[in-house]
Parts: sequence; C-alpha cells; structure tokens
Amino acid sequence: AQKITQTQPGMFVQEKEAVTLDCTYDTSDPSYGLFWYKQPSSGEMIFLIYQGSYDQQNATEGRYSLNFQKARKSANLVISASQLGDSAMYFCAMWGLYSSASKIIFGSGTRLSIRP
Amino acid sequence: EPEVTQTPSHQVTQMGQEVILRCVPISNHLYFYWYRQILGQKVEFLVSFYNNEISEKSEIFDDQFSVERPDGSNFTLKIRSTKLEDSAMYFCASSEGRTGQEKLFFGSGTQLSVL
Repeated sequence: AQKITQTQPGMFVQEKEAVTLDCTYDTSDPSYGLFWYKQPSSGEMIFLIYQGSYDQQNATEGRYSLNFQKARKSANLVISASQLGDSAMYFCAMWGLYSSASKIIFGSGTRLSIRP
Repeated sequence: EPEVTQTPSHQVTQMGQEVILRCVPISNHLYFYWYRQILGQKVEFLVSFYNNEISEKSEIFDDQFSVERPDGSNFTLKIRSTKLEDSAMYFCASSEGRTGQEKLFFGSGTQLSVL
C-alpha cells in the first residue's frame, strides 16, 4: 500500500522568503511519480510540479522546485521568493505502477500563509 | 489553456434525492476521474474511467455511485440516494494518458450540500 505524509498542517512565511513544504512517502512500487498541487481559497486544484522516480534531476518549474531524496523517500516542495498569492493549501500526491496505476493519492495538505 | 469544466458549481439537495454532477473533460484526454474533498480534509479518490469502463474505484464508490460518459464530451457522476455524509466538494479530472507521467487537470469542483 502507498502512503503520503505531510507533517506540517500550517506554515507562516514572510513575503520574499523561500519556503519548504515537506512530503514523505512510502511505496513498494518499482516505478512511481510524485506531484504537487496548489489549492487556493477559491477551491480549484492547480498542478505545480511532477517528479518521476527514475528522473535523474530534481524537477523545477519557475519558482517551484522539488527536492527529491529517493533514499529518504521525501519529495519536498521548495518555493523561492514567496509571494502573497502563494497563500493556499498545498497537496503532495503520488502515483504507483502497481499500487495506484489508475489514480493519484493525496496527502493531507499544508496550509501556507504568506505574511506581507 | 484548455480546462475541465464542471457544472453546477453548487448543488443543494435533500437527503435521499438523486444528484448528477456533470463534467466536460479536456477534449483530447482519454482518462477521467472523480475525487471528493470533505471540508477541511484530504482529497479522496473515488473512481477512474477509461475506454467507457471503470478502471479503478475506491471503497467510497459503493452501489450508490455510478459514472457515465453519455456522449463524446460529458462525464457524469450520479449519486442515487444522497446521504448527509455525501456533502463535499466533488472534483472531476482528466489526463491525456494513463497517470504516472501525465498530470491530472482538475475542474473547479461542485460543492454538494445534502440537507
């Protein structure tokens, strides 16, 4: 079975600072993928970044990067130079070749609040 | 950018009534999903759908739930006899290929309130 754990229910960060949102996972699948989604107060789910388990380099998308440490089974999201618009819920999610071949499963989320 | 469209954005119904939540996935996508999120809780998988049949479903997706792709564009979730605990935000999603390397595109959700 797969499991995604986000241990930070809420975080406060000063605007323009970098922030790291933690995500650890557990899987026995030989191939898997990790996603981060943002959910602003308006409710929609916005894709941010993806990391495949066999990708050699950490994924980056603009101000978002994924700190993938396979041996530690962690896939932390790093947001550089945070902005007020980054205030939202952030969900880590994963797909597994055998355990969840037709879906992605989500962690419990971290609510990020950016202070001006 | 193309988007997944869900209607209605809000639905209020009486316990025991049937509801149909509608979704228009992105036109070239082949895989479709329903998720739900009870207020303040995690996003839970309900069902995935491909080639006009269910690929996978969760324990939540019992006999009260059904999905259908009645034509080439719509994807619907039906709850036959709603319960109070069905109150949640329901998200439709689609992906071009089988998820793994394909990101899921989510709609804006339908907030279902069962009274």
